[in-house]
Amino acid sequence: EAGVAQSPRYKIIEKRQSVAFWCNPISGHATLYWYQQILGQGPKLLIQFQNNGVVDDSQLPKDRFSAERLKGVDSTLKIQPAKLEDSAVYLCASSRERVNTGELFFGEGSRLTVL
Amino acid sequence: SQKIEQNSEALNIQEGKTATLTCNYTNYSPAYLQWYRQDPGRGPVFLLLIRENEKEKRKERLKVTFDTTLKQSLFHITASQPADSATYLCAPVNNAGNMLTFGGGTRLMVKP
Repeated sequence: EAGVAQSPRYKIIEKRQSVAFWCNPISGHATLYWYQQILGQGPKLLIQFQNNGVVDDSQLPKDRFSAERLKGVDSTLKIQPAKLEDSAVYLCASSRERVNTGELFFGEGSRLTVL
Repeated sequence: SQKIEQNSEALNIQEGKTATLTCNYTNYSPAYLQWYRQDPGRGPVFLLLIRENEKEKRKERLKVTFDTTLKQSLFHITASQPADSATYLCAPVNNAGNMLTFGGGTRLMVKP
């Protein structure tokens, strides 16, 4: 089966600009996650969707970050305006059900550099 | 607050030896614990899941233990190979299962 697809793989922007990342999960996976991974650290959950509803967005900086999962399939994560500290890899993952029943499948990530 | 700690220093071992990585957690009572492998520039890949009522889980050369009294999980790779060199992440999961929090990861280097 095809894996989790993410784009773009790399993005360089100036601070205060905006950026959007796209994710297409594995077909049939109900749950979708966005993680932020800063260099040298473990992934930090930003938002979790169950179908097209938000399950957890407690760590999403809502003043600048937004995410949507229209129609319960692919998802977009947006940052506006970007700050230097947003430089990180943004990972998308999906799972068949809620995480406590199985593994997460990750995409390759989108590396963001904010100058 | 909840805390998940993995040894942030790289672990260097010789090929053929057993690598042991540690994951400690505080202020947390996970129902499950997952281990992932991450190679540079790639997303994490799932390796093993162990439940709180399981003391040990094995898969090929991998072994995971889960001690809820010590609040610790140990991840072992026996007969290690240079191809095992990667960063290994642990992720305790609570009963709600809504959020998966990762430790900072431990980088393993296996030298030939």
